[in-house]
Amino acid sequence: DAGVTQSPTHLIKTRGQQVTLRCSPKSGHDTVSWYQQALGQGPQFIFQYYEEEERQRGNFPDRFSGHQFPNYSSELNVNALLLGDSALYLCASSFAGTGYYEQYFGPGTRLTVT
Amino acid sequence: KQEVTQIPAALSVPEGENLVLNCSFTDSAIYNLQWFRQDPGKGLTSLLLIQSSQREQTSGRLNASLDKSSGRSTLYIAASQPGDSATYLCAVKGFVDSWGKLQFGAGTQVVVTP
Repeated sequence: DAGVTQSPTHLIKTRGQQVTLRCSPKSGHDTVSWYQQALGQGPQFIFQYYEEEERQRGNFPDRFSGHQFPNYSSELNVNALLLGDSALYLCASSFAGTGYYEQYFGPGTRLTVT
Repeated sequence: KQEVTQIPAALSVPEGENLVLNCSFTDSAIYNLQWFRQDPGKGLTSLLLIQSSQREQTSGRLNASLDKSSGRSTLYIAASQPGDSATYLCAVKGFVDSWGKLQFGAGTQVVVTP
């Protein structure tokens, strides 16, 4: 049973550019959440997608946007990159039907903005 | 607003000693609490999930307790091993948006010396 997968593993971008990160949820899961983790800090919630809609959003600017596809996979897009966007981006999936909402995390994408 | 705190930020113990990791939260209206392990530069591995109605959960050498009224959870790791060296994060899920975001602490970095 494949767990949560993310691509790419590492990414280097220049300030002002745009980036797209991808996530495939664990088999059977229908909800995807994205988190940003700066060095030495806990993950910060960006947003959550369910039934192809953004259901909840954290305190992140509109430069951060996302999408969920019919197969439940998801993309995170960041426009006009800033140096401060350098972080580990984590995707988590869960299944809404159990009521436990336990989140399973992928290995992350390390984004470096220069 | 929920605040999650983990003290200490770092901990070093000799192999064989028991580990005690603390997590405190300010809003007792939680749906559940999860403990995660994170190896350097990697994603999060879920260790234990405690529902708000539970007082503790156990898995092998790991035991987590929850005291909602005092806003505290403790993770015990018995007979520590060098392989237990990692950062341990706790995260709470609010009762109102139980399907939604996890609120993380900054983590406790653990080193177990042989």
